Amino acid sequence: EVQLVQSGAEVKKPGESLKISCKGSGYSFTSYWIGWVRQMPGKGLEWMGIIYPGDSDTRYSPSFQGQVTISADKSISTAYLQWSSLKASDTAMYYCATHSGWIDYWGQGTLVTVSS
Amino acid sequence: EIVMTQSPATLSVSPGERATLSCRASQSVSSNLAWYQQKPGQAPRLLIYGASTRATGIPARFSGSGSGTEFTLTISSLQSEDFAVYYCQQYNNWSWTFGQGTKVEIK
Repeated sequence: EVQLVQSGAEVKKPGESLKISCKGSGYSFTSYWIGWVRQMPGKGLEWMGIIYPGDSDTRYSPSFQGQVTISADKSISTAYLQWSSLKASDTAMYYCATHSGWIDYWGQGTLVTVSS
Repeated sequence: EIVMTQSPATLSVSPGERATLSCRASQSVSSNLAWYQQKPGQAPRLLIYGASTRATGIPARFSGSGSGTEFTLTISSLQSEDFAVYYCQQYNNWSWTFGQGTKVEIK
């Protein structure tokens, strides 16, 4: 069974850094793209970017390029999404998901709250 | 970036009735179009990919059609568990995009 298990909810202050994780199991982690989707409170889904853990090829949505960093550690089947300096507008639920073009499997989501 | 536009924003339907949701792309995405269902407090769930192929375990009352720039998701007879928000997503190029969603609510 494919499972994506994300790290727990985070509460941070503006300007702080953050790295959230997504551990995949039940499939060949290095053979499928894995990426991130943002959902701001009460809003729709926004595709952020993806990484191919096999060779670390990474693609970003223009809206998120330079705002976040996507990475992966294939030795522990884990993908990451990180910020160097959070803003209040980064408050959202973040989902990791495997991609076959369409999005097959979703993690449970990580709620990130940024507030002073 | 390809812009996906869904209509209507909200669809009020009685249980047992048919629901038709539309999704339009700002340029052709061929058949590289997926539909997702999201219920409150849950992650989205894949319904349709390749514009018309049902994902594993999705009931036959869900069907997708279209190609190019115009797509439709049809729910033939709405069940209580189908009231949710539905999103389309194109994956024709590397900057994949979602529509803004259609909320299907009980009439």
